[in-house]
Amino acid sequence: SQKIEQNSEALNIQEGKTATLTCNYTNYSPAYLQWYRQDPGRGPVFLLLIRENEKEKRKERLKVTFDTTLKQSLFHITASQPADSATYLCALRAFSSASKIIFGSGTRLSIRP
Amino acid sequence: DVKVTQSSRYLVKRTGEKVFLECVQDMDHENMFWYRQDPGLGLRLIYFSYDVKMKEKGDIPEGYSVSREKKERFSLILESASTNQTSMYLCASSPGTGETQYFGPGTRLLVL
Repeated sequence: SQKIEQNSEALNIQEGKTATLTCNYTNYSPAYLQWYRQDPGRGPVFLLLIRENEKEKRKERLKVTFDTTLKQSLFHITASQPADSATYLCALRAFSSASKIIFGSGTRLSIRP
Repeated sequence: DVKVTQSSRYLVKRTGEKVFLECVQDMDHENMFWYRQDPGLGLRLIYFSYDVKMKEKGDIPEGYSVSREKKERFSLILESASTNQTSMYLCASSPGTGETQYFGPGTRLLVL
């Protein structure tokens, strides 16, 4: 069956460290993968998109990698700050489904001072 | 900036009531979506629309219907609310199929 999984439900790290979140998928051929941030009581906000032929994308302190062999995307936040605390969702658009994006259930990231 | 607004932030309804959730976007996007979000289950697609008066079922359409009479407005209807429809409902829009989605703030619905 098709699945998109974010392995950690919650992640707690010390301020200043790099946070690494994982997104794995099975039985999909992804056209691209997106990462969103969601704060409590709010809708998700788009952060980054990486296409299936790209290995890495960066935006300020954020970095996303995409390994289609491992069927995995990693999302990194360097020099993490308490303000980065939120839930992060990965989302995948498959080649077979042009109109739909499938979301993972999210990882709740907490950065302690 | 894209703005997606939802008619209510919080809503309390009784079992059996008909419930309307409204969503409006101001960026002339073709596509609009309704999701529900529950702890541990993530975002699940209920319905989406790729054009006025066009709609397609998502993964969990049972118990819901939608209406898109104008491009900027997409309504979710619960014909007869049930307690298992208590959830956070999120509306989103996107300029093209499968592109980045822009979300509204969500409506937290409680069905008693």
